[in-house]
Amino acid sequence: SQQGEEDPQALSIQEGENATMNCSYKTSINNLQWYRQNSGRGLVHLILIRSNEREKHSGRLRVTLDTSKKSSSLLITASRAADTASYFCATGSVGGANSKLTFGKGITLSVRP
Amino acid sequence: KAGVTQTPRYLIKTRGQQVTLSCSPISGHRSVSWYQQTPGQGLQFLFEYFSETQRNKGNFPGRFSGRQFSNSRSEMNVSTLELGDSALYLCASSVRVPETQYFGPGTRLLVL
Repeated sequence: SQQGEEDPQALSIQEGENATMNCSYKTSINNLQWYRQNSGRGLVHLILIRSNEREKHSGRLRVTLDTSKKSSSLLITASRAADTASYFCATGSVGGANSKLTFGKGITLSVRP
Repeated sequence: KAGVTQTPRYLIKTRGQQVTLSCSPISGHRSVSWYQQTPGQGLQFLFEYFSETQRNKGNFPGRFSGRQFSNSRSEMNVSTLELGDSALYLCASSVRVPETQYFGPGTRLLVL
């Protein structure tokens, strides 16, 4: 079963606005990651946040993690048309041979010029 | 470092045939994971190999198989192709799961 569930499923905003995407999960994790996928291409890793971290920044990206609520959010500030893509959260759990990285279904972000 | 490469990039097969896809990971990465992506089912995990051993397998029929070689390159095979196997097949490499995965561009398979 898929661990991470993203919300909303689709998001449409105007260029320059901020985009916030959420991810919820059910079981304990070691880390949570966000990936971007442009249409029909491979996924690109954006950011990884570990379970003992609360917030992380990378350029225009800000990720928060609340392990008590089992949720994470990805904020893209000052969005651009080039940010139009699908965004996936992935939860990582460690368990020896059972270590896994489980992807959600993704969020489609459209940024209107 | 060179990125993850996948060959071929596009493939057209007919029902009943078999296909082999190849993935070359980033140098030094020992873990290779495979995913199937379709519009209806999203991104689904097929299997993960680490140092030539399959460590995890997703919920796919036995027609889907894979292997990893001593140089960490990996192949996946689909036998007796069905129309529903049409998809984008993605491979990703990492130092180990569940650390950051680096994806290849994918192989788009069309089954007619």
